[in-house]
Amino acid sequence: GENVEQHPSTLSVQEGDSAVIKCTYSDSASNYFPWYKQELGKGPQLIIDIRSNVGEKKDQRIAVTLNKTAKHFSLHITETQPEDSAVYFCAARRTNAGKSTFGDGTTLTVKP
Amino acid sequence: NAGVMQNPRHLVRRRGQEARLRCSPMKGHSHVYWYRQLPEEGLKFMVYLQKENIIDESGMPKERFSAEFPKEGPSILRIQQVVRGDSAAYFCASSPMGRGRMTDTQYFGPGTRLTVL
Repeated sequence: GENVEQHPSTLSVQEGDSAVIKCTYSDSASNYFPWYKQELGKGPQLIIDIRSNVGEKKDQRIAVTLNKTAKHFSLHITETQPEDSAVYFCAARRTNAGKSTFGDGTTLTVKP
Repeated sequence: NAGVMQNPRHLVRRRGQEARLRCSPMKGHSHVYWYRQLPEEGLKFMVYLQKENIIDESGMPKERFSAEFPKEGPSILRIQQVVRGDSAAYFCASSPMGRGRMTDTQYFGPGTRLTVL
């Protein structure tokens, strides 16, 4: 089955700096890669996603890149703000497979 | 447009009791997924259901756990004879009707935090 590894497990940055979180996956048939933000006591919230036919996607301060050959994808957050502090999860999925396989999460702390 | 709803938000049970967790998907969504999250860990897939059908239960423990998504009403995750190791956050997600890429995006509810004493 699919295995997703996520690094780093914790990340601390100064406000205004950039943050990068990386994930690798094992199943070459996975074709959908969402990123979720989870705040304390809440459910995961989808922030951006990318499909395997696209190499990069951007939404304001957030971008995701995908390298299919190397089977890794990354989340980039620029101009970080204290409200970006949360746990971020990557996931991988095959269309029609149903389940998503999640990484173990990255706790991002943005210091004011 | 209400999101995925789960109740109760917090549930406390003593060992040996039953726990019932409910999930109402977003309007227009017919696919429901249950995930479990242990403290400081990621989400682990449990089961994938469509109305009146279990599509994939490969992540469900073989005993004590069951799930359903009836024609009418919410999806139910049922845990019989709970043990301390069942303490976790249980999240439900839903995705739109149809097939293919449109069903890829899963929207999560706020979760039910189960504590077994």
